[in-house]
Amino acid sequence: QSALTQPPSASGSPGQSVTISCTGTSSDVGGYDYVSWYQQHPGKAPKLMIYEVTQRPSGVPDRFSGSKSGNAASLTVSGLRAGDEAEYYCSSYAGGRKWVFGGGTKLTVL
Amino acid sequence: EVQLVESGGGLVQPGESLRLSCAVSGFTFSSYGMNWVRQAPGKGLQWISFIGPGNSRIDYADSVKGRFTISRDDAKNSLYLQMNSLRVEDTAIYYCARDQFWASDIWGQGALVTVSS
Repeated sequence: QSALTQPPSASGSPGQSVTISCTGTSSDVGGYDYVSWYQQHPGKAPKLMIYEVTQRPSGVPDRFSGSKSGNAASLTVSGLRAGDEAEYYCSSYAGGRKWVFGGGTKLTVL
Repeated sequence: EVQLVESGGGLVQPGESLRLSCAVSGFTFSSYGMNWVRQAPGKGLQWISFIGPGNSRIDYADSVKGRFTISRDDAKNSLYLQMNSLRVEDTAIYYCARDQFWASDIWGQGALVTVSS
């Protein structure tokens, strides 16, 4: 189970939009519409932000959106705020009730 | 309030065993699948095991298969992870998480397991 590929860092100024990519294979991202995104602040547990590629759990602002094309998925954060600064992880179902995560992207709000 | 609380972490030597527990409250535990996910110090997340409702299905990551055993006690609203033959590379924070929406929607605060001689 190889990890999904994410850029190690991303940044944007308050109010701007930033997009984080997540690349997998046809056995995970490309094979299922079960991509999820997690936000993790330092010393805290991960928080689900997006599930099933585009869906937001209750309480997650609509500034967070997800998409997928082929073997790649993306998380877009619009209207950046200081509190959005965190590590973001993508994850995909990989068949057989197994999941694979990306290596994480540190989002910096400049 | 939905809550997951892990316990049982600690310092052990390579080759030893440890059992993690995850106490669940605020939802009908028996109706949900559950995951264990770990995070090595300064590293990313790694899914390691899933158990379905009613033990309908159990899966493990290759890195722990044959050494770790996931189980649940629905009467006690508890999830467990029995970890045997621990290795230095198993050092991590271990999170239990509820499985919903083909994702992990609720997470515990984590339990630190350190394997060192």
